[in-house]
Amino acid sequence: KAGVTQTPRYLIKTRGQQVTLSCSPISGHRSVSWYQQTPGQGLQFLFEYFSETQRNKGNFPGRFSGRQFSNSRSEMNVSTLELGDSALYLCASSSRLGRDEKLFFGSGTQLSVL
Amino acid sequence: GENVEQHPSTLSVQEGDSAVIKCTYSDSASNYFPWYKQELGKGPQLIIDIRSNVGEKKDQRIAVTLNKTAKHFSLHITETQPEDSAVYFCAASSHDYKLSFGAGTTVTVRA
Repeated sequence: KAGVTQTPRYLIKTRGQQVTLSCSPISGHRSVSWYQQTPGQGLQFLFEYFSETQRNKGNFPGRFSGRQFSNSRSEMNVSTLELGDSALYLCASSSRLGRDEKLFFGSGTQLSVL
Repeated sequence: GENVEQHPSTLSVQEGDSAVIKCTYSDSASNYFPWYKQELGKGPQLIIDIRSNVGEKKDQRIAVTLNKTAKHFSLHITETQPEDSAVYFCAASSHDYKLSFGAGTTVTVRA
């Protein structure tokens, strides 16, 4: 069974630009979560989608948005990029929505904002 | 929201020795506590998890213990091997369905 796939693997953008990251969950998984990982802040929850609906949201500004498609694939968008948005963005999938569902992570997209 | 603290931030052990990582959480409603291992250039990989109705769980050389009263849980790795070198994260899932992570522990196993 293929794991969680994230594209692209690396991305370099400049301040003010916008970026879209993609995530394909494990086949059959309907829940997709996004996390931001930085050396200073660790892993921070961005949002979670289940059946094309955002079910939960972390404490990030509105510049961070996402969506989920009918095939459970998800995209995350960051508009008006800032230097502080440089991070590893991780996508994780689980089979169901639930507090104790196992999360399976992709390898992430490393975003560098110059 | 949930606050998870993890100690130590770095841990160096001799191959064959044991490694212990400790975490505390703040939300008494948290009921799920996974541990992840992250190797360089990869995403976190779930290695073991425990639910609040269980006090201890073991999987080969890895074990996790949970003390709900004290709100802390620990990861124990026995007979450490070089491939155990990685960053380990604890996490707790609270009532708002979010998974909150500890800051991570960098484990180095010396040959």
